[in-house]
Amino acid sequence: AQSVTQPDIHITVSEGASLELRCNYSYGATPYLFWYVQSPGQGLQLLLKYFSGDTLVQGIKGFEAEFKRSQSSFNLRKPSVHWSDAAEYFCAVGGGGATNKLIFGTGTLLAVQP
Amino acid sequence: EPEVTQTPSHQVTQMGQEVILRCVPISNHLYFYWYRQILGQKVEFLVSFYNNEISEKSEIFDDQFSVERPDGSNFTLKIRSTKLEDSAMYFCASSRTEPRRIQYFGAGTRLSVL
Repeated sequence: AQSVTQPDIHITVSEGASLELRCNYSYGATPYLFWYVQSPGQGLQLLLKYFSGDTLVQGIKGFEAEFKRSQSSFNLRKPSVHWSDAAEYFCAVGGGGATNKLIFGTGTLLAVQP
Repeated sequence: EPEVTQTPSHQVTQMGQEVILRCVPISNHLYFYWYRQILGQKVEFLVSFYNNEISEKSEIFDDQFSVERPDGSNFTLKIRSTKLEDSAMYFCASSRTEPRRIQYFGAGTRLSVL
């Protein structure tokens, strides 16, 4: 069955510290992978995506993610977190095809300490 | 920057009443989607819509739900007889033909069924 697992429900980091949010997926075909961020009162904003090619992808706001097929992972990283990064982060997988639906993880809520 | 617009931001209704959630997708997009997120749970796919018909629907999308594109700009989700368990955040998304796998989301409508 297709699924996405985000093992960390809640993470707290200090401002300026590095960040890694974990995402594991289960998908029968070649996955298309996404990270979305949701700030309070806002919609889901696309941070970055992986379709094919270079397994290290760059996104907006200084985020990057690395696709590791052998580990079925697509972890999100940022070298130095800013207070404005506090939000909820969702990993999603989609296979395209006729319907293009996204399957989401449960999300990781990031808190940033001053 | 174009964005997906959803109205209202919060809808309160009595159990058994009909509600219509409205979305204005990005203007040159041709694929439309509804997702929902029950509090504390994953974002779940409900339905995708293309060329004036449903292309896929989930098990959640039963006969109580319907979607419509009544004109060239709006995309609506109707729940005919709301239940308590329909209380959730409902997200609309849209995507272009190619790369159609990139979905852009609205800020959501919070539906509270009393």
